Amino acid sequence: ETGVTQTPRHLVMGMTNKKSLKCEQHLGHNAMYWYKQSAKKPLELMFVYNFKEQTENNSVPSRFSPECPNSSHLFLHLHTLQPEDSALYLCASSGTANTGELFFGEGSRLTVL
Amino acid sequence: SQQGEEDPQALSIQEGENATMNCSYKTSINNLQWYRQNSGRGLVHLILIRSNEREKHSGRLRVTLDTSKKSSSLLITASRAADTASYFCATWGSTLGRLYFGRGTQLTVWP
Repeated sequence: ETGVTQTPRHLVMGMTNKKSLKCEQHLGHNAMYWYKQSAKKPLELMFVYNFKEQTENNSVPSRFSPECPNSSHLFLHLHTLQPEDSALYLCASSGTANTGELFFGEGSRLTVL
Repeated sequence: SQQGEEDPQALSIQEGENATMNCSYKTSINNLQWYRQNSGRGLVHLILIRSNEREKHSGRLRVTLDTSKKSSSLLITASRAADTASYFCATWGSTLGRLYFGRGTQLTVWP
């Protein structure tokens, strides 16, 4: 138990569906992150939120839409995805966005048919 | 690229042996971190070494950092089957919130 909870753990969706991934952290951190992990590729940083403000959007396609209503919750809204978007999506948090250690959730395994 | 690159990509050893993984990077860093990931799970932070440190220990882990060579190594002593996992180095540069990961080293420890 890392203090970062992601739901759902597994998600299968069609290309026309709309779904959301949820992340919640119970660590009192102020920075939250979305990473994408695909086979045989480095982890890709997607978004960074620091004190609820988005500080990083790493050229992510608009079919991925993040939302951070407060410092404890982070969502990734998904719509009209492509099969190549199938991956493990990892949420992480840290004290602030300029401190070192990240605490990761267990990930949401997404399959796009 | 600021991403770290681990070497080797895969390492297979017997229980009790030491495992050494290396990481190289290309730009200046504030710190370098090592993470572990069991198959299909999230990453777990192992150890952080700052740019002004040269060596750090944590239990059976020993990390070195050579900023002149832009490289780091992770040594796991007296390995156990439970150490089987992927190990990633990550570099923290100057840009807020940007922690760059490599592709990882897949370590297999045989009982």
